[in-house]
Amino acid sequence: KNQVEQSPQSLIILEGKNCTLQCNYTVSPFSNLRWYKQDTGRGPVSLTIMTFSENTKSNGRYTATLDADTKQSSLHITASQLSDSASYICVVTGNAGNNRKLIWGLGTSLAVNP
Amino acid sequence: EAQVTQNPRYLITVTGKKLTVTCSQNMNHEYMSWYRQDPGLGLRQIYYSMNVEVTDKGDVPEGYKVSRKEKRNFPLILESPSPNQTSLYFCASSFDRTPTNEKLFFGSGTQLSVL
Repeated sequence: KNQVEQSPQSLIILEGKNCTLQCNYTVSPFSNLRWYKQDTGRGPVSLTIMTFSENTKSNGRYTATLDADTKQSSLHITASQLSDSASYICVVTGNAGNNRKLIWGLGTSLAVNP
Repeated sequence: EAQVTQNPRYLITVTGKKLTVTCSQNMNHEYMSWYRQDPGLGLRQIYYSMNVEVTDKGDVPEGYKVSRKEKRNFPLILESPSPNQTSLYFCASSFDRTPTNEKLFFGSGTQLSVL
């Protein structure tokens, strides 16, 4: 069964600190992996998209890594800001037949406190 | 400004009263989709459309209808809403007909409550 699991479920950090969010998936074959940021009550906004051949991709203070062998990805946030408080969702796309669909994780809820 | 526009932002209705949530995109995108988001369940796809007059069921289509008469519009119709359709709804679009390698652009959401 294709699944995407994220950890931790929630996280609280102080402003200025770094943090890392995890995503493990069982989707195979694999096409790409995306990270979205979702502010409370708003639509998700794309942060990164990585294909099989990409190990890392950055978007400002956000850096995503991908290990396609172990089927793991992480999202690292550097020098956190209050505006980083949001849910971060990992989404994996399969690459064959009925598997060509987006599989959504449940997200990690991040709270950045002053 | 490139965007996906949903209306209304908030909607409270009663069981059985037909309603429509509108979605419009100004990016000439081929692909459009509707999702619902519930606590503990994440985003689940309701319906999607890869082109005008082409629509397909997602994972949770029961109780919903859609139409794609024009490229830019993709309304979601609840013919007879029930309380279990209380949820946060998102419309999304992508340039690619099968958004496997492109990012989705999301609307701001519609919070629906069915009493």
